[in-house]
Amino acid sequence: SQTIHQWPATLVQPVGSPLSLECTVEGTSNPNLYWYRQAAGRGLQLLFYSVGIGQISSEVPQNLSASRPQDRQFILSSKKLLLSDSGFYLCAWNSGAFNQPQHFGDGTRLSIL
Amino acid sequence: AQTVTQSQPEMSVQEAETVTLSCTYDTSESDYYLFWYKQPPSRQMILVIRQEAYKQQNATENRFSVNFQKAAKSFSLKISDSQLGDAAMYFCAYRSAFTGANSKLTFGKGITLSVRP
Repeated sequence: SQTIHQWPATLVQPVGSPLSLECTVEGTSNPNLYWYRQAAGRGLQLLFYSVGIGQISSEVPQNLSASRPQDRQFILSSKKLLLSDSGFYLCAWNSGAFNQPQHFGDGTRLSIL
Repeated sequence: AQTVTQSQPEMSVQEAETVTLSCTYDTSESDYYLFWYKQPPSRQMILVIRQEAYKQQNATENRFSVNFQKAAKSFSLKISDSQLGDAAMYFCAYRSAFTGANSKLTFGKGITLSVRP
């Protein structure tokens, strides 16, 4: 069966520090991969999605970037974190079939001090 | 662009009772998919139920069922025999059937459901 792993679970970082959140999927090949951010008490905002290695689409301009160095690995990064980057970050995957739902990782709670 | 609206920020239900969570969406497309996701305090996102727009029959999954009204662009979730474990934030989501492999989800803002013992 397919599983998705996301880490770390929580992270506290100072303003201006770099960021690297990692997400990996097991049990499937060539998944679509997504990064979402959820601000406190709010819905999910799609940040990036990827349909293949090296293929990244950005949904909103921001301080973050994403990379997909391997088929089942998706990384969310920043060179210098801002206070506004605080939030809950979720990685998700699904297969390319249109009727397949997205499956989410357990999320990373990021606090910027 | 598609939008998903969940106008009720909070709802409460007595244990064992039935509750309906509302969701409306706006789209010009004729074929799409709709989902309800549950996010308990653990923050994990769990798929509850999905509906395919071309199917007239409402989806059901055990105690969860939907009332899909395509003409009205309404997609409500009914939870029967509510349990304490149903307490969570619920998100309605839309996905076009015509976007190719990048099957992006558009989420509503969510509704917080509390269950009273």
